[in-house]
This record gives sequence, structure tokens and C-alpha cells, in this order.
Amino acid sequence: AQKVTQAQTEISVVEKEDVTLDCVYETRDTTYYLFWYKQPPSGELVFLIRRNSFDEQNEISGRYSWNFQKSTSSFNFTITASQVVDSAVYFCALSEGGSSNTGKLIFGQGTTLQVKP
Amino acid sequence: DSGVTQTPKHLITATGQRVTLRCSPRSGDLSVYWYQQSLDQGLQFLIQYYNGEERAKGNILERFSAQQFPDLHSELNLSSLELGDSALYFCASSVEGAYGIQYFGAGTRLSVL
Repeated sequence: AQKVTQAQTEISVVEKEDVTLDCVYETRDTTYYLFWYKQPPSGELVFLIRRNSFDEQNEISGRYSWNFQKSTSSFNFTITASQVVDSAVYFCALSEGGSSNTGKLIFGQGTTLQVKP
Repeated sequence: DSGVTQTPKHLITATGQRVTLRCSPRSGDLSVYWYQQSLDQGLQFLIQYYNGEERAKGNILERFSAQQFPDLHSELNLSSLELGDSALYFCASSVEGAYGIQYFGAGTRLSVL
């Protein structure tokens, strides 16, 4: 069965520190997609990135970067030089897809990041 | 702004009642998804519609039902409400039926008293 594990429940850092949020997934599908979403205190879910199972290139977007390693079934997210506005709950998710052809997202439990000034 | 509109934002009701949550997807998106977020269960997939037809079902209770209308908006109906149904209900939409980027609405916070 598909599963996403975010072992870090809460992380607290001081502004300008780098922080890495871990995500480990389980799936038997050979084709799948991984996602990261941000949920700020206002409550909405904001899309950050989608990565497919055939593309293991790391990605960088501004202060955000993602490291996808199929060998360890991990898709980790790093924020460089964190800012107070990065304080939020971050969710890693797996898209089941496959023969059922659905887009159902399986979410991890989320990591609450607190960035202190 | 994701472009996905959910109404109402907040809903307070009593046990045993029935409520309807509404979702308007982004223009052009054919898939609508419903998710429930609660403290004990986290974010759980409920149901997906694609172009008016049910595509996938999660652990959705029999007391819950949904539909997607010809104009692609969707409604989630929750009946015989229980205290445990109190949660944040999200709607998301995507262009594709699978693997697509899902854009989420702001959610409807349901409180059952």
C-alpha cells in the first residue's frame, strides 16, 4: 500500500538557518508523482512542487530546493536562509495514479516549521 | 488565490443535521477532489470526480455523498452529522484525471456541536 512518512512532527529554527524537511514514501507503482504543499496559519494548502518518478534531478526554486532519491524512497525539502514567513505546516504527498488512473493524493502527517526571528 | 472557490468558509451545526459544501473548480479543470483534514486523521482523500463522473473513492463514510454537476462545480453532502465529523474540508481541482497538480480551495471549516 502507498504510504508517506514525515517523521519530523515539529521543527523550530532561528531565522536565516537552513532547514530540511524529510519525506519517505512507499509505493509499488513504477510511475508516480510526489508533491510538497505548504499550509500557512491562514489554513489554505499551497502547491510548491511536483516531481515524477522518472526524474531524479534535484530542483531549486529561490530559497527552496528538493532532493529526490529513488534508492532511498525519499523526497526531502530544504529551505535555505529561512524566514519567519516560512512558518507553516508542510505536507509531502504521493499521487497514486497507475492503472486506476486517479489523482488521489496520499499525504504525510505534515511537519510544522516554526521560524523564530 | 488558487482559483478554487469553496463556500461556506465556516459552518456550525448540530449533531444529526445535514449540510452541503460547495466547490467551484478553476476554469478549465475537469477533476474535483474532496479531502478531510482533522487532528487525528490528518489529510484524508474522500472522493474524486472527473468530468461529471466518479473516478475514485477513499474512506468516505456512507453518510457522505458528492456529485459533480454539468458546469463542473461539485457539492459534498454530509448527513446525520456526528461530533467526529468536525473538520476542515478541502476541495481541490486539476486539469488531468491523474497525476495532475491539485489546486486547493481555502476550505470549509465544519463544527458539529
